[in-house]
Amino acid sequence: AQSVTQPDIHITVSEGASLELRCNYSYGATPYLFWYVQSPGQGLQLLLKYFSGDTLVQGIKGFEAEFKRSQSSFNLRKPSVHWSDAAEYFCAVGASTGGGNKLTFGTGTQLKVEL
Amino acid sequence: SAVISQKPSRDICQRGTSLTIQCQVDSQVTMMFWYRQQPGQSLTLIATANQGSEATYESGFVIDKFPISRPNLTFSTLTVSNMSPEDSSIYLCSVEEVKGTEAFFGQGTRLTVV
Repeated sequence: AQSVTQPDIHITVSEGASLELRCNYSYGATPYLFWYVQSPGQGLQLLLKYFSGDTLVQGIKGFEAEFKRSQSSFNLRKPSVHWSDAAEYFCAVGASTGGGNKLTFGTGTQLKVEL
Repeated sequence: SAVISQKPSRDICQRGTSLTIQCQVDSQVTMMFWYRQQPGQSLTLIATANQGSEATYESGFVIDKFPISRPNLTFSTLTVSNMSPEDSSIYLCSVEEVKGTEAFFGQGTRLTVV
């Protein structure tokens, strides 16, 4: 069974500082990996995804993530955080088994940005 | 990407009653899913809504409690039956425009059971 671990429940960074959110996954085959962001009272917005190919993927809002198979990781990064980035971030792994891409989510990382 | 509308956006319901949540997509999609997000928790897949046939439920979820319909390629409903306070959660509809690709989510329905 697939699983996702986000070790950091809360992270606080200063505006303008760099950010890295950690994500480790467990999956038997090549995974489909995603990062979503959820702002208060909002649904989930897809930041970026990895299916195959280049292991460094670029997403929206200046985010990027790197797939490292040897470490079973898919960490999310941003070089300079903006106050509007404060939200909850979810890493997810998808199992495309012919029945669509069923997602297993991590427990999320709550990001706080200090001005 | 598909635009997903969920109704209602929030509701407060009495225990023992049922609530039906609607998910409308502005284009035909291959896959539709329903997720639950309990307070302070992550998202858990409830079921895959299959067009024209019975939904496929994940472990721990049953049809009697969460009946799902999907009459066509743009619409699905999730009913939360015989509600208890433990059902208080955000329920989210998710779609894939093409099977096996990224999933998009609706804004969710925030349900409080009192």
